[in-house]
Formats: sequence, structure tokens, C-alpha cells
Amino acid sequence: DQQVKQNSPSLSVQEGRISILNCDYTNSMFDYFLWYKKYPAEGPTFLISISSIKDKNEDGRFTVFLNKSAKHLSLHIVPSQPGDSAVYFCAAKGGARAGGTSYGKLTFGQGTILTVHP
Amino acid sequence: NAGVTQTPKFQVLKTGQSMTLQCAQDMNHNSMYWYRQDPGMGLRLIYYSASEGTTDKGEVPNGYNVSRLNKREFSLRLESAAPSQTSVYFCASSETSGAGTQYFGPGTRLLVL
Repeated sequence: DQQVKQNSPSLSVQEGRISILNCDYTNSMFDYFLWYKKYPAEGPTFLISISSIKDKNEDGRFTVFLNKSAKHLSLHIVPSQPGDSAVYFCAAKGGARAGGTSYGKLTFGQGTILTVHP
Repeated sequence: NAGVTQTPKFQVLKTGQSMTLQCAQDMNHNSMYWYRQDPGMGLRLIYYSASEGTTDKGEVPNGYNVSRLNKREFSLRLESAAPSQTSVYFCASSETSGAGTQYFGPGTRLLVL
């Protein structure tokens, strides 16, 4: 039972255009959603997060949108740069309502490989 | 401020051998985690430690043991390695409050023959 899904294994975008990475979830007790970027042979690095009580959070070129009714979030990168080429993971954090062993833990999606062409 | 460090970076084991992966963080975080990453599977939680002195199983704990040595250090042990444990292992740390952002180490690539 995969609670966090990234249905697109890969995405290819031209430099300067918008990259949109998508993520779906099934558990309404997640209280935060996070995006991580991972380069080969390195650990994931935190990009941006959003609280479940908000629908948008922006940080420079990165914006995360949350649609709670659809249980869907997306990461927009504008403009895309070749250095953005990496694997992007979305993750969801169990909130206090999740309780027990789920509280505070992150559940990750499978990842989407983003390639930005010059 | 090194963040999260892991040793070794790469290891080759034969089936049945044992080894311990080491992890340390200098961010004074209460919570620490061990994940494995396999192609197409994302990051799966093996074990975690919400605070010093406590450890709990994650999604895929079979074949592993952990020790939270102190607030800084959290080790992962494979008692009898199997080829199915060939993977990349990541350690992470976080505070539990707020967004619970986890900070990851550089990973240990393990090959079990």
C-alpha cells in the first residue's frame, strides 16, 4: 500500500522553461509535505516544504502547490536550469493525528528523474 | 558543522558476513533514521530512533539491528548479509516538531555477493 506516489518516473524539460513534478498521496493525516533533490552519489537534500493547512509555498524559483481535496501536490521550478537535473522525491510527514508509530516519520515517493536540456 | 556523516562510503561483503554502518550528526537532533534506497522504490525506512535510548522498526527492518549509542550516533548492523541487502543506505536526522525536515548523510553503497 503505497501512501505517496510519484507516477512519472522521468521528466525532460528545456532550459528556461517550467518543470512541474507531481505527487499524489492517500493518507489525510499527513501534516507536512516536503520535496527533496538528489544528485548521483549524494544524499537527498531538502528543497521546500508546505504545511497541510496551506495551499502554496514559494522559495525563489521553487513553488509547491497543495490540493488537499485531490490529495495532490506539485513542485514548480521556474525557470529550469541544467543544474536542476536530479532525482526529485516528494515526502509526507505523519502528523499528531496519525499518532502512534507514524507520528513524525516521512513517507517517500519513488522519485522522478528531471533532466533539463541546455 | 559537518551535518550528517556516514562511514564507510562503499563496502563489498560476501553472503553471511557481518558489518556495521556508522552514522553521526552534529545538529543536536533528537531523531535519527536509517533508510535504504533501491531502484524504483524510493527511500524505505529500516529503523528509526525518536530520541536517545529508543529505537523502533520501520517499513523494512528484517535482517538489520540498530544501536542509538548516544544523541549523536546511530549505527546499523547487518548480522548475516544477504544479496537482497545490496543497496544504498542513508542515515538522516531531524527534530520531530514542525515540518520534521530530515537531513541526510552522503550514503553508504553496499554490495553483497
